[in-house]
Amino acid sequence: GQNIDQPTEMTATEGAIVQINCTYQTSGFNGLFWYQQHAGEAPTFLSYNVLDGLEEKGRFSSFLSRSKGYSYLLLKELQMKDSASYLCAVFYNAGNNRKLIWGLGTSLAVNP
Amino acid sequence: DGGITQSPKYLFRKEGQNVTLSCEQNLNHDAMYWYRQDPGQGLRLIYYSQIVNDFQKGDIAEGYSVSREKKESFPLTVTSAQKNPTAFYLCASNTPGRPPYEQYFGPGTRLTVT
Repeated sequence: GQNIDQPTEMTATEGAIVQINCTYQTSGFNGLFWYQQHAGEAPTFLSYNVLDGLEEKGRFSSFLSRSKGYSYLLLKELQMKDSASYLCAVFYNAGNNRKLIWGLGTSLAVNP
Repeated sequence: DGGITQSPKYLFRKEGQNVTLSCEQNLNHDAMYWYRQDPGQGLRLIYYSQIVNDFQKGDIAEGYSVSREKKESFPLTVTSAQKNPTAFYLCASNTPGRPPYEQYFGPGTRLTVT
């Protein structure tokens, strides 16, 4: 079956760096998304990786290793506003369709 | 400005009543999706539609119904058959197969049924 694992909670300090890991088991992998979701709000798109390697976008970077079924989201120079849940989602082929499976999210608390 | 709107933001209903949640998008996206989010759980797909007048069940469609009469609109009805309707409901849209691939989300509707 299809499965995604992320840590449930993480804590970090303002100004520091934090890495949020995501491992997945899917067949027909077709890309991996990271979203940020503040409490009570909608998820907002952060990154999309379909090839191996690191994609950098400002303070946020996302890495993918398809052979290991592994991704991470790296947040640098943490700010208080980065306190949120970070959702990993994998796009995969299911017959003639493409489907999206979501992880449970990692709740990040940034402390002063 | 293009985007997805959901209304209302908060909705309260009595048990046994059907309720319809609105979702409208002006992004010209072909596909629209309804998700449910409960505390400690990931997003679970209720229904999705890839073209007008067609829709498919997601993973937890029981107790819900949808329609897609216009490209811009994808309302979700939570029926009295849904056992645990209290949740945060999110609508999303994209155009599958073409970049950008990500789904864009509306602000969500928090439904409370007592």
